Amino acid sequence: KAGVTQTPRYLIKTRGQQVTLSCSPISGHRSVSWYQQTPGQGLQFLFEYFSETQRNKGNFPGRFSGRQFSNSRSEMNVSTLELGDSALYLCASSPRGQGNTIYFGEGSWLTVV
Amino acid sequence: QKEVEQNSGPLSVPEGAIASLNCTYSDRGSQSFFWYRQYSGKSPELIMSIYSNGDKEDGRFTAQLNKASQYVSLLIRDSQPSDSATYLCAVTRVGDFGNEKLTFGTGTRLTIIP
Repeated sequence: KAGVTQTPRYLIKTRGQQVTLSCSPISGHRSVSWYQQTPGQGLQFLFEYFSETQRNKGNFPGRFSGRQFSNSRSEMNVSTLELGDSALYLCASSPRGQGNTIYFGEGSWLTVV
Repeated sequence: QKEVEQNSGPLSVPEGAIASLNCTYSDRGSQSFFWYRQYSGKSPELIMSIYSNGDKEDGRFTAQLNKASQYVSLLIRDSQPSDSATYLCAVTRVGDFGNEKLTFGTGTRLTIIP
């Protein structure tokens, strides 16, 4: 069974630009969660989607948004990038939600310059 | 008070010894508890999950949960150099939308000394 796939793996953006990251969950998983990881803050929860609906949300500004498609694939978007947005963005999927084991993708490394 | 607290370490343990990692959480209603291991530059991978009080063993790993004390721990027996990694404790609680929401601690960096 294929794991969680995230694209792109690495990207460099300029301040003020916007970025879209993509996540394909494990087949059959309906829940997709997004996390931001930085050395200083650790793993910070962004949001969770289940069957195309946002089910949980972390404490991030409105510049961070996401969506989920009918095939459970998910995208997250960050608009008006700031230097502090440089981080590893991790997507995780699970069959039914965050009460079950979540499985992480390899992540997308975003550098904002 | 942080939702999930871990000692950031680093924790150094001789090879072959027992490594003990601790985690406390703030929400008494938390139901699900997980330990993830993360190697440098890699994504977290699940080590153990535990849902009820007591011990759960899987090979060299034992997770211990005490809901009354709001405490969960991970013991690694016969520590190996390959166990050197950051260990993340994760706990669920009911989120704003009424669904379980998973929160991670900041992790404990473990180094096994040969």
